[in-house]
Amino acid sequence: EAQVTQNPRYLITVTGKKLTVTCSQNMNHEYMSWYRQDPGLGLRQIYYSMNVEVTDKGDVPEGYKVSRKEKRNFPLILESPSPNQTSLYFCASHLGGANYEQYFGPGTRLTVT
Amino acid sequence: AQKITQTQPGMFVQEKEAVTLDCTYDTSDQSYGLFWYKQPSSGEMIFLIYQGSYDEQNATEGRYSLNFQKARKSANLVISASQLGDSAMYFCAMRAGPYSGAGSYQLTFGKGTKLSVIP
Repeated sequence: EAQVTQNPRYLITVTGKKLTVTCSQNMNHEYMSWYRQDPGLGLRQIYYSMNVEVTDKGDVPEGYKVSRKEKRNFPLILESPSPNQTSLYFCASHLGGANYEQYFGPGTRLTVT
Repeated sequence: AQKITQTQPGMFVQEKEAVTLDCTYDTSDQSYGLFWYKQPSSGEMIFLIYQGSYDEQNATEGRYSLNFQKARKSANLVISASQLGDSAMYFCAMRAGPYSGAGSYQLTFGKGTKLSVIP
């Protein structure tokens, strides 16, 4: 089954404790992205990747890091989480080209206390 | 910069009636794509429909159709024969720029419209 998986689905952590949210896709997609969703703001892109070892900032990259060492994986790293990073996070991938559909993971609900 | 505006924070519709969710966009690019996603209370993002800026016909997918008015920069979603399972948040999104350009990797989302279907 074609899918994007994220782990963990739910995470409660404390300020300053480094964490990683994993994302993996099995569709051989070149393009992957991370979004955060906050009430009243819709989804905003954090980082995206066009291929292995190629990443770039989205609209809200501050406080986040990403890496793309393998095509299928695109982890999101919070080196020192803060309460304003409490949010719902989505990983997405797509094939690219004109008419692409972004496939979204199930989401990771992160709470930073 | 691209911008998506959804002016209806919430809407109600009677079951079996049709409903239109509004979306206007702003971009200076000639090539762009418009998407609608559904997010039920369970949280996942479900792709509904896509319209390319050069597509001459309005996109349709089952009960969903996209009313694309290029001159007005609007891309409204029409849901026909509403069902209780249509109750959800709906997001309009845009990809702008050439397909091979940096903009093609980014979706800009609106703030969403919460649709409630009344039995």
